[in-house]
Amino acid sequence: EAQVTQNPRYLITVTGKKLTVTCSQNMNHEYMSWYRQDPGLGLRQIYYSMNVEVTDKGDVPEGYKVSRKEKRNFPLILESPSPNQTSLYFCASDPTGEGGTEAFFGQGTRLTVV
Amino acid sequence: EDQVTQSPEALRLQEGESSSLNCSYTVSGLRGLFWYRQDPGKGPEFLFTLYSAGEEKEKERLKATLTKKESFLHITAPKPEDSATYLCAVQARDNYGQNFVFGPGTRLSVLP
Repeated sequence: EAQVTQNPRYLITVTGKKLTVTCSQNMNHEYMSWYRQDPGLGLRQIYYSMNVEVTDKGDVPEGYKVSRKEKRNFPLILESPSPNQTSLYFCASDPTGEGGTEAFFGQGTRLTVV
Repeated sequence: EDQVTQSPEALRLQEGESSSLNCSYTVSGLRGLFWYRQDPGKGPEFLFTLYSAGEEKEKERLKATLTKKESFLHITAPKPEDSATYLCAVQARDNYGQNFVFGPGTRLSVLP
């Protein structure tokens, strides 16, 4: 089954404690991205990757890091989480990122930073 | 700056009561407009892509239309299982790589 898998689904952590949210896709897609979703603001892009070793900032990259060492994996790293990073996070992939094609989303990771 | 707004914010319908959701957008050259459905606690699920003004697409009780400034998602004779948040997103031609700009969504409730 074609899917994007995120882990964990739920995470509660404390301010300043580094964490990683994993994302993996099994569709051989070139393009992957991370979004956060907040009430009233919609989905906002954090980082994206056009291919292995190629990453770039989206609209809200501050406080986040990513890496793309393999085509299928695109982890999101919070080096020093803060309460304003409490949000619902989604990883997405699509075949090329060149536009015109649908994105496939993971099930989401609900992060709470206290 | 590319922007997407959606109205209404929330909509309650009786089963069988048809209605429309609105998506207004400003974008520097539209590559595509997308509609997604999102159920509580889940990721968005693709519904439609529209590429040019005048285009229409249908799927079961849903029909999406596109003009140069707006898109409408028409829901005909909705059922309770159509309850979800409907998201609209645009891709701009010159925003290479940054992919979608999403609207805040319309939360639809269909009562039996």
